Amino acid sequence: DSGVTQTPKHLITATGQRVTLRCSPRSGDLSVYWYQQSLDQGLQFLIQYYNGEERAKGNILERFSAQQFPDLHSELNLSSLELGDSALYFCASSVEGRGLYGYTFGSGTRLTVV
Amino acid sequence: QKEVEQDPGPLSVPEGAIVSLNCTYSNSAFQYFMWYRQYSRKGPELLMYTYSSGNKEDGRFTAQVDKSSKYISLFIRDSQPSDSATYLCAMGSMNSGYSTLTFGKGTMLLVSP
Repeated sequence: DSGVTQTPKHLITATGQRVTLRCSPRSGDLSVYWYQQSLDQGLQFLIQYYNGEERAKGNILERFSAQQFPDLHSELNLSSLELGDSALYFCASSVEGRGLYGYTFGSGTRLTVV
Repeated sequence: QKEVEQDPGPLSVPEGAIVSLNCTYSNSAFQYFMWYRQYSRKGPELLMYTYSSGNKEDGRFTAQVDKSSKYISLFIRDSQPSDSATYLCAMGSMNSGYSTLTFGKGTMLLVSP
């Protein structure tokens, strides 16, 4: 157990639907990062939050949004889902905002859009 | 040119072999370097990190950084079937504009018994 908790582990949904992925960072970590990983792609950075505020944005689609709450857990919302959104979604956390000591990754949420 | 280049493999070796995994990067702003191991369908786990040129050892693993050549390596001695995984390099910078780590796409390693 890495200390980063992601729920749910698996999600199957239909095209056009909306889902919410949840992440609880490791205790003491202030920064949360979201990544998408498809079969033929590496880790694609989506977005970073640090202590409740958006810090950096990557290749995140307009249909996707995220937030970090006062208790530091984070949610990634995916809407108007398409088949191509099927992927593993990872959350990672770090104690500071630059990954100086590395990230701790969760075990991921496997999203299947049918 | 991508910021971080990593051969996707797969790299297939027999058990007991010495494995060399490599990444090259283009931006001299990178100051700290890491290697992650990712088993199939699991989250990446941090193996090693280093902040300077030279070698760093941890058991069977050695991380090597050559900042002048913009080249980093991970060596695995006495490789085991349990080392079969995808290895990702990652690097970061304290410079403004670099608030997140930059990852390579990963090299798949297969160690056969």
